[in-house]
Amino acid sequence: GQQVQQSPTSLVLQEGENAELQCNFSTSLNSMQWFYQRPGGSLISVFYNPSGTKQSGRLTSTTVIKERRSSLHISSSQITDSGTYLCAMGDTGNYKYVFGAGTRLKVIA
Amino acid sequence: GALVYQYPRRTICKSGTSMRMECQAVGFQATSVAWYRQSPQKTFELIALSTVNSAIKYEQNFTQEKFPISHPNLSFSSMTVLNAYLEDRGLYLCGARRLGGRVYAEQFFGPGTRLTVL
Repeated sequence: GQQVQQSPTSLVLQEGENAELQCNFSTSLNSMQWFYQRPGGSLISVFYNPSGTKQSGRLTSTTVIKERRSSLHISSSQITDSGTYLCAMGDTGNYKYVFGAGTRLKVIA
Repeated sequence: GALVYQYPRRTICKSGTSMRMECQAVGFQATSVAWYRQSPQKTFELIALSTVNSAIKYEQNFTQEKFPISHPNLSFSSMTVLNAYLEDRGLYLCGARRLGGRVYAEQFFGPGTRLTVL
């Protein structure tokens, strides 16, 4: 079945540093989203980005369909960026998502 | 805008009892609703997918007998966790896909219902 691999599993950054999170898919990509989840908190959609590059403030997502991968770049990280970042891909009919295991990000002062 | 509400946000139930949770699409009609569960220290896994004019499809390890789902209209879905035990605790999420949208379109997710089983 479809698999979604995220890397790194966890990451600790000094405030102000940049982060690059990766998401790789085992099958052809039809749709994908990046989510942010605080510890014990709700899921917040960061980007819907099935292809190309999208930017929102300090966050940039790039999805390369042919290479079956997507990345999330966080520039000038802040302590409030700490949490878990999940990527998910939609199946052929896009009716359901397969989630990655997430990258746990901790930004320290 | 398109929003998905879930109720309750948090709930506690005794082991062996049942708990019902709701999912409401606001601002759009949902052609499909998917229910997911995130168990402690794990990622989200699909429980079942409910699509308009189709039977509800459950994933492996999840059954209708344990997680009955009602999807009476294009805006509302509910799921019950029957005879809940410790392994059922976690965050239950519903995701909705817009009716009439592009084939490959964004899914909208609710904030989740966190279930604690005592």
